Amino acid sequence: EIVLTQSPATLSLSPGERATLSCRASQTITSYLAWYQQKPGQAPRLLIYDAFNRATGVPARFSGSGSGTDFTLTISSLEPEDFAVYYCQQRSNWPLSFGGGTKVEIK
Amino acid sequence: EEQLVESGGGLVQPGGSLRLSCAASGFTFSSYWMHWVRQAPGKGLVWVSRINSDGTSTSYADSVKGRFTISRDNANNTLYLQMNSLRAEDTAVYYCARDRASRSLNNWFDPWGQGTLVTVSS
Repeated sequence: EIVLTQSPATLSLSPGERATLSCRASQTITSYLAWYQQKPGQAPRLLIYDAFNRATGVPARFSGSGSGTDFTLTISSLEPEDFAVYYCQQRSNWPLSFGGGTKVEIK
Repeated sequence: EEQLVESGGGLVQPGGSLRLSCAASGFTFSSYWMHWVRQAPGKGLVWVSRINSDGTSTSYADSVKGRFTISRDNANNTLYLQMNSLRAEDTAVYYCARDRASRSLNNWFDPWGQGTLVTVSS
């Protein structure tokens, strides 16, 4: 089973700042990684799939990069609505798995 | 608008059963693989099960295999999850989610329903 480790667990930033979130896989997953955003009391929302493709309607300030075992989600300039928990997910190996999440909170 | 609406959650005793439903609208339901994903209170996301577009192929996480059954009714645009022999550790919000791609298996989840809470407790 592939384990996804997200870091940091919590990121404290101010609106307008750049956020850099990391997801590391326990073995190579090529580019089979997605990122989801979850706000309190809401369902997750797909942001990025196949490592760098933005889902429909996702603002351009969200970008994904990486391949193999190391991946990054970057939010270029945080908007108030971006403060949330972010999860990565892999589909390379069975079973499908998610990372533990990174909470982006207002500093 | 593409929409998924879950129902059927509630409080059930250990060893009991529950059937969740997920009503789909705004897209051609019969063209997509569908998934169930759960989230225990305050915890992360865990994939539970998936079913292909015509209901002939299913897969389960090891933690629910033999206890849960996924099915679908394409005539009524509805996804189901029959949960038997429930345990305390099955307590979670259960989300249904559509596979991102039509007519193929993508294993990316988009969109998601709002979730339904299942609580297993005596």
